Amino acid sequence: DVKVTQSSRYLVKRTGEKVFLECVQDMDHENMFWYRQDPGLGLRLIYFSYDVKMKEKGDIPEGYSVSREKKERFSLILESASTNQTSMYLCASSSSGLAGSGNEQYFGPGTRLTVT
Amino acid sequence: KQEVTQIPAALSVPEGENLVLNCSFTDSAIYNLQWFRQDPGKGLTSLLLIQSSQREQTSGRLNASLDKSSGRSTLYIAASQPGDSATYLCAVKADKLIFGTGTRLQVFP
Repeated sequence: DVKVTQSSRYLVKRTGEKVFLECVQDMDHENMFWYRQDPGLGLRLIYFSYDVKMKEKGDIPEGYSVSREKKERFSLILESASTNQTSMYLCASSSSGLAGSGNEQYFGPGTRLTVT
Repeated sequence: KQEVTQIPAALSVPEGENLVLNCSFTDSAIYNLQWFRQDPGKGLTSLLLIQSSQREQTSGRLNASLDKSSGRSTLYIAASQPGDSATYLCAVKADKLIFGTGTRLQVFP
């Protein structure tokens, strides 16, 4: 069974804080993704990575950065948290390669982040 | 630009009914289509993946079909149970995964 874990289920941070969200997968997947999910807007892709030390911007990268130092771990960083970054954050992974891959994405349990 | 629509947005049915959830997409140039289930406050659980060359996939009481040319997929749930209550999301894969906004299903005893 694929397992994708996220470091926190719930997180409360103050405006201006630097926030780290961690995601770990145990299936040796090359691809990892960060999404945010908001009511009425659905899931939106923030960043993704096809390999260690590689990263690509998704649809809404502003205000976020990522780090992939090891294959199994993909971190999302909010450099200076703002209230409009209050959301559910979901990490996902999939196996092999390129953007055209038809492989299944597996999701973690999500982190509900509240910025006050 | 790919758009994914799910109808209905919400559905409430009595236990035991067979039901169909619909997903439509505007660009048929996809690699696959994936159906997910999401329980309140939780992550997404993958239910079925249909590759673009396939017409359907089955898993237990679930059957998903894909008609790429018409831009449609359906998720059929047989003999629904209260435990099936959740939001069901479809997503199509081209250069990235594009999600619909989901159908919220409630199955009451």
